[in-house]
Amino acid sequence: QVQLVESGGGLVKPGGSLRLSCAASGFTFGDYYMSWIRQAPGKGLEWVSYITITGSGNTMYYADSVKGRFTISRDNTKNSLYLQMNSLRAEDTAVYYCARANYGLVNWGQGTLVTVSS
Amino acid sequence: EIVLTQSPGTLSLSPGERATLSCRASQSVTSDYLAWYQQKPGQAPRLLINVASSRATGIPDRFSGSGSGTDFTLTISRLEPEDFAVYYCQQFGSSPWTFGQGTKVEIK
Repeated sequence: QVQLVESGGGLVKPGGSLRLSCAASGFTFGDYYMSWIRQAPGKGLEWVSYITITGSGNTMYYADSVKGRFTISRDNTKNSLYLQMNSLRAEDTAVYYCARANYGLVNWGQGTLVTVSS
Repeated sequence: EIVLTQSPGTLSLSPGERATLSCRASQSVTSDYLAWYQQKPGQAPRLLINVASSRATGIPDRFSGSGSGTDFTLTISRLEPEDFAVYYCQQFGSSPWTFGQGTKVEIK
């Protein structure tokens, strides 16, 4: 069955960096768009970024709130998705989910918590 | 950017009743690429409906989606105890993808 497991979350100071990883299994990773979505404590869902497949140029898209600070990438040989987060702010505090996209976000990981605080 | 507005914010209903949730887009959603998700406390969201009206795998037929263009609806025909949760719509027809703010369905 499809499994998505996020890791790399933790406590970081404002202005710091963090790299999230998402290990995928149970499907042909390279055939699907992948996405990151976040949820601040007690708030709704916010789409963060997605990356297309190699055949579409591995094109990356970002929410305005993270553009220029976050970078999404994928390694199809390792069945892994990444989110490099730089210049972190307090408002980036959230649970970060990775998800497989196939006409909607079909499968989700359990999430990893990122806390930005001094 | 397409802004999705969900209404009502909270829906108070009893088990067995019908729930009707609305999602309105600020501009037409390309190809009706509109999805609905259910989220329970402490859990990741679960896809219910994609492309406006297609039920995802394993989703009971009491859940149905309808609409096109800018107006979409999620209907739960008869609420079961496990259906009390927060529901989100999301458009993936154009970048940036966006979510609505959510509708909480609570027990009356």
